[in-house]
Amino acid sequence: KQEVTQIPAALSVPEGENLVLNCSFTDSAIYNLQWFRQDPGKGLTSLLLIQSSQREQTSGRLNASLDKSSGRSTLYIAASQPGDSATYLCATRKAAGNKLTFGGGTRVLVKP
Amino acid sequence: EAGVAQSPRYKIIEKRQSVAFWCNPISGHATLYWYQQILGQGPKLLIQFQNNGVVDDSQLPKDRFSAERLKGVDSTLKIQPAKLEDSAVYLCASSQNSGTDTQYFGPGTRLTVL
Repeated sequence: KQEVTQIPAALSVPEGENLVLNCSFTDSAIYNLQWFRQDPGKGLTSLLLIQSSQREQTSGRLNASLDKSSGRSTLYIAASQPGDSATYLCATRKAAGNKLTFGGGTRVLVKP
Repeated sequence: EAGVAQSPRYKIIEKRQSVAFWCNPISGHATLYWYQQILGQGPKLLIQFQNNGVVDDSQLPKDRFSAERLKGVDSTLKIQPAKLEDSAVYLCASSQNSGTDTQYFGPGTRLTVL
């Protein structure tokens, strides 16, 4: 059974600093891995999706890497802004059409 | 394009009462998901529909939870009777297909069981 862990559970950084968010998973046989953002009282928004054959994906200030063999993914957010304050969740999918297995999330606060 | 709609947004009930949540997915999306998110945890899939058929309900506590999507469009999730541990946010999501398509999430219903 896949287990997805995100440490730390909470993180606080000053504005402008780069953010590094970690995600680890126990079963390396994944189909893809996805990073989401969740704002208080709102649903999840997909940020980046990395297929198992890929090593990284980039979108604007966001970059996500994937190391299947070690069961790890990292989300980098460059030059953080107060608007980046949110909870970030990663999730793996075992096969096409299969359910997402989520980590517990990292709650990020970017201080002005 | 309208997003995934859910109602109510908040619900407070006493244990042993019943409650129902409603979800209207994005138009044309064949796949609909219900997740339970307990405070401080990631969402856990309860049930996945493809059109009006159930694809995965392995983590649905069937003794008290039920869900339906009769016409393959909107869906209801019911809890009867509710327990204290059912306090959570219930998220609905939809995708065009169940493959690798991005899931679009609604704002959720926050349930408090007293």
